[in-house]
Amino acid sequence: EVQLVESGGGLVQPGGSLRLSCAASGFTFGSYWMHWVRQAPGEGPVWVARINTDGSITTYADSVKGRFTISRDNAKNTLYLQVNSLRAEDTAAYHCARDLIWNQPDYWGQGTLVTVSS
Amino acid sequence: QSALTQPASVSGSPGQSITISCTGTSSDIGGYNHVAWYQQHPGKVPKVLVYDVSLRPSGVSSRFSGSKSGNTASLTISGLQAEDEADYYCASFTSSHTLAFGGGTRLTVL
Repeated sequence: EVQLVESGGGLVQPGGSLRLSCAASGFTFGSYWMHWVRQAPGEGPVWVARINTDGSITTYADSVKGRFTISRDNAKNTLYLQVNSLRAEDTAAYHCARDLIWNQPDYWGQGTLVTVSS
Repeated sequence: QSALTQPASVSGSPGQSITISCTGTSSDIGGYNHVAWYQQHPGKVPKVLVYDVSLRPSGVSSRFSGSKSGNTASLTISGLQAEDEADYYCASFTSSHTLAFGGGTRLTVL
C-alpha cells in the first residue's frame, strides 16, 4: 500500500523557516517524480514544486521560487521541502504527492500544516 | 501561473449526468494531453479520477469520464449518486513544466 506521511509543519513567524519531510513507503520511491502541493483551508490545491527521480531536475511555482527548495534522499525514501522567508499567504496544509505521469499526481499524503503568523 | 477556470458549482439529481468544464489556454490544456481530474470530499485528500484527459486509474468507476476540445477539458459523471457530492478539481501540465489547478467545482446531488 502506498503511504506518504508528511511532518515538520508548525506555527512560524513571518520571515521564518521550516523543513518539511515526507516519508514514503509501499512503492519504489526512487523511480517516481514527486510533488509538493499546498491547500489553504477552504481553498483548492495549489502546486508548489516537483523533483525528478534523482533530484537533478526541480521546478517551482513562481510564488515560491527563490524561497522554497525541494530535495529528496532516495536511500531514506524521503522527500523534503525547505521553506524560507515565509509569508502569511504561505499558510496552508502542505501535501507531498507521487507523480503518476507528466505532472499528474496520483497518491497524496494527509499533509502537514504550516501557519505563518506573528 | 494562472489557475484554470471552472464553474463554482453544479448540481444534479440521482441517476442524471452532469458535466464540469475546465478552461485554460494553449499553454496548458490546449497544448498538452496531460489533464487530470480530482475528487475531494471534506476532510480528505484529493483522489485522481482521470488522467491524460480520458484515462481512468484502476479502481475508478466508469461513471467518470474525461474529454477535451481545444483549450477546454470536461469531466462527465453519469448515473449520479449521493456519494458523488464533493469538490472536483481539474489540473493540467503547462508549457513551463509546472502544474496548474482549477479553482474547483462544488457538486451538489439534489
